[in-house]
Amino acid sequence: AQTVTQSQPEMSVQEAETVTLSCTYDTSESNYYLFWYKQPPSRQMILVIRQEAYKQQNATENRFSVNFQKAAKSFSLKISDSQLGDTAMYFCAFMKPNTGNQFYFGTGTSLTVIP
Amino acid sequence: DSGVTQTPKHLITATGQRVTLRCSPRSGDLSVYWYQQSLDQGLQFLIQYYNGEERAKGNILERFSAQQFPDLHSELNLSSLELGDSALYFCASSPRGTINEQFFGPGTRLTVL
Repeated sequence: AQTVTQSQPEMSVQEAETVTLSCTYDTSESNYYLFWYKQPPSRQMILVIRQEAYKQQNATENRFSVNFQKAAKSFSLKISDSQLGDTAMYFCAFMKPNTGNQFYFGTGTSLTVIP
Repeated sequence: DSGVTQTPKHLITATGQRVTLRCSPRSGDLSVYWYQQSLDQGLQFLIQYYNGEERAKGNILERFSAQQFPDLHSELNLSSLELGDSALYFCASSPRGTINEQFFGPGTRLTVL
């Protein structure tokens, strides 16, 4: 079974600063996909960013970027220029293709952006 | 708005009862996934349907069942409810074909008293 570990239950960052959320995973697969989802107080699950394991280049979406270290099985999320609206739970997720695209989620990191 | 709809938004019921949660996927999406999120916890995968057929099963209790109908909407049935079943239940859908993220509905909050 795949496991996803987020070792930081809670984090905080000052507005406009940069913060990095950690995620590690355990798999014997070589082809897989990784995602970061955001869950604000509204509880809606919102995709932040995705990374294909076969791509060496780290994914970037505006202020959000990842540091994907395949050998270390690490997939951290960096949020630059943090904004108050970034306050949310962040979940890391692993997906192995050809298994019905089943997602395995970590337990989440609660991020608070301080004004 | 993800395009995935779930009804009802909130549901309050008593132990021992049975409820049905409904999900309509995004237009054209063939896969539907159900997740349970208990208080302050991550999402636990329950079950997946693809074009009407069960595709994958996760940590779904025997008291729970689901189905996907020809119009692709899905229902999650929870029976003999216990206090511990109180949670947020999410439905997600994804398109056919190449790997895609899952698009989540707003969730149904179930409270068992």
